[in-house]
Amino acid sequence: AQSVTQLGSHVSVSEGALVLLRCNYSSSVPPYLFWYVQYPNQGLQLLLKYTSAATLVKGINGFEAEFKKSETSFHLTKPSAHMSDAAEYFCAVSAVYNFNKFYFGSGTKLNVKP
Amino acid sequence: NAGVTQTPKFQVLKTGQSMTLQCAQDMNHEYMSWYRQDPGMGLRLIHYSVGAGITDQGEVPNGYNVSRSTTEDFPLRLLSAAPSQTSVYFCASSPQGSNQPQHFGDGTRLSIL
Repeated sequence: AQSVTQLGSHVSVSEGALVLLRCNYSSSVPPYLFWYVQYPNQGLQLLLKYTSAATLVKGINGFEAEFKKSETSFHLTKPSAHMSDAAEYFCAVSAVYNFNKFYFGSGTKLNVKP
Repeated sequence: NAGVTQTPKFQVLKTGQSMTLQCAQDMNHEYMSWYRQDPGMGLRLIHYSVGAGITDQGEVPNGYNVSRSTTEDFPLRLLSAAPSQTSVYFCASSPQGSNQPQHFGDGTRLSIL
């Protein structure tokens, strides 16, 4: 079975600082990987998704994520945080043999301090 | 383009009542799913469907029923509401095929008293 672990339920950074949100997955075969963002009282929006074409994936709003097979990780980064980045972020994987079935991490709430 | 529409947005029920959460999508997506979101637990899959007439259980199916009579609609039924079902419910859809992201509705906030 697939599973996703997000380290840190809350992360706080200053505006302009580096954002690093961690995601590790468990799977014997690299699954399909996604990052979603959720703003208050809204549904989830896709930030980026991993394709086998490149290990470094660029998404919307300046976010990017790097797939590291050896570490079974797919951490999300942004060089410079903006106040508008304050939201909850979810890492998700889709099952390798049932790729329309998704498993989500527990989420990381990002707080951006002025 | 409406995307995924969930109704109602808010609902309060008494223990033992039944109700149906509605979900409709206008993107002709084959795959639809229901999740519940609880604090610190992320999203957990309740039921999903890979096409009209086909449904399957997710991680937490007990107490919920689904059916998929059309491509567009995927209602979630609570048979006899319990306080443990107080949660935010999200419906999502995606096209068939690998590496396709899901599109989410805005959620239904359900409280069971």
